[in-house]
Amino acid sequence: DIQMTQSPSSLSASVGDRVTITCRASQGISNYLAWYQQRPGKVPKLLIYAASTLHSGVPSRFSGSASGTDFTLTISSLQPEDVATYFCQNYYSAPRTFGPGTKVDIK
Amino acid sequence: EVQLVESGGGLVQPGGSLRLSCAASGLIFSDYYMDWVRQAPGKGLEWVGRCRDKVNSYATEYAASVRGRFTISRDDSKNSVYLQMNSLKTEDTAIYYCTRVRSGSYYDYWGQGTLVTVSS
Repeated sequence: DIQMTQSPSSLSASVGDRVTITCRASQGISNYLAWYQQRPGKVPKLLIYAASTLHSGVPSRFSGSASGTDFTLTISSLQPEDVATYFCQNYYSAPRTFGPGTKVDIK
Repeated sequence: EVQLVESGGGLVQPGGSLRLSCAASGLIFSDYYMDWVRQAPGKGLEWVGRCRDKVNSYATEYAASVRGRFTISRDDSKNSVYLQMNSLKTEDTAIYYCTRVRSGSYYDYWGQGTLVTVSS
C-alpha cells in the first residue's frame, strides 16, 4: 500500500501569512493527488486535484505543486476562514490513502 | 445542485449488522463511481470502498480493514448506493460519508455523513 505522510501535523500562523503544508507519498503516484479542507465540525471539501488544479470555486490563494513524491499545498495569505484540517489523498491506486492531516489555526 | 444524503447510522452491538444508504440527486448517478469514506471520532479520513458504474460491471473494491465484512452495492434506478456492514467491531465506529468520484479519481461531492457507533 502507498503510505501518505504530512508535515507539519499542526501549525499556527497569523492572518496574511503564507502557509505551506507538505505531503509525501511512499512511492510514485504521478500527479494523482488531491487536497481536501475540513473545517471544524464540517464535511471535507475538495480544494485541489491532479496535484495542482484548483477545484471550481476555491479561492486563488490556495495552490498546489508537486516534485517527485513530494506535494505542497500553499495558502498565499491565510484568512480566518481557512482554519481547518487539510488532508492529502492518493488516488493513484487502491487503497486510496489519505494523509493524517495538518491542523491550521490562527495565531 | 448535487446532493448526497446518507442515512441508516446508529448504535449497534459488536458483531451486529447495519445497512447505510446514500441517496443522490442533481447528477446523472449512473455515470459515476461512488465511494464510501469514514472518519473515526477526532481522527483522519479512511477510504472504505468503491462501487464502479454499469459500464465497469458495478465492480467493487474494499479496504483491507473491511474486506469480507462490508459490501457496497448500488441501485441506479433509485440513484442510491448502499454499504452493508456485517460483523461490526468497535473500531468501525465512525462517521461514514458517501462521495461522488470524479473522473474515476477524486471526490468532488461529499454527503453530510451518518454516524455509526459500535458499542455494547
